[in-house]
Amino acid sequence: GDSVTQMEGPVTLSEEAFLTINCTYTATGYPSLFWYVQYPGEGLQLLLKATKADDKGSNKGFEATYRKETTSFHLEKGSVQVSDSAVYFCALIPNTGNQFYFGTGTSLTVIP
Amino acid sequence: DVKVTQSSRYLVKRTGEKVFLECVQDMDHENMFWYRQDPGLGLRLIYFSYDVKMKEKGDIPEGYSVSREKKERFSLILESASTNQTSMYLCASSLAIGTGVEKLFFGSGTQLSVL
Repeated sequence: GDSVTQMEGPVTLSEEAFLTINCTYTATGYPSLFWYVQYPGEGLQLLLKATKADDKGSNKGFEATYRKETTSFHLEKGSVQVSDSAVYFCALIPNTGNQFYFGTGTSLTVIP
Repeated sequence: DVKVTQSSRYLVKRTGEKVFLECVQDMDHENMFWYRQDPGLGLRLIYFSYDVKMKEKGDIPEGYSVSREKKERFSLILESASTNQTSMYLCASSLAIGTGVEKLFFGSGTQLSVL
């Protein structure tokens, strides 16, 4: 079935470090891929998305590229800030489905 | 600004009680969802609804039911609360899938404790 696997956390980085959070997926056809972020005490909000192969989603300095050949959608940021501390979720919608599938979430803590 | 509102931020109930969690969206979205979020398990879909009075089971519907009498409101019901239903419950809504603008809008969550 459709599923998302993302790297285990928690991740702790120093401010201005480079961030990668790995995400791979299993789905038939061409799903749409998403990264959601959950700041402390809040619900999830969309960070970025990509709807077809080789698309790059970007927002707030974060980027992720839809790689069909490796079924991956890794999240990257060149220089993290303390305010990026949050839980990050990778997700997909199958192209024939009507529900979202989420990974287990990766907690990121950025220390000054 | 678009909004998904959950009626309670924190809720404490006793085992065996009937519990209602309410969610209201103001975006005229067709789809509404209830998830539970547990450490190490991420988000798991309980039920979703793609239209008024329509509902579909998600991955973990046991012990829950839902009601959608109006488009903007989606209620999650715990018929007889149990301690293993202690969790964070998240409501979300979206436009119909296939519109090309799929995006989930989430409420802030209800932390339910069943004692």
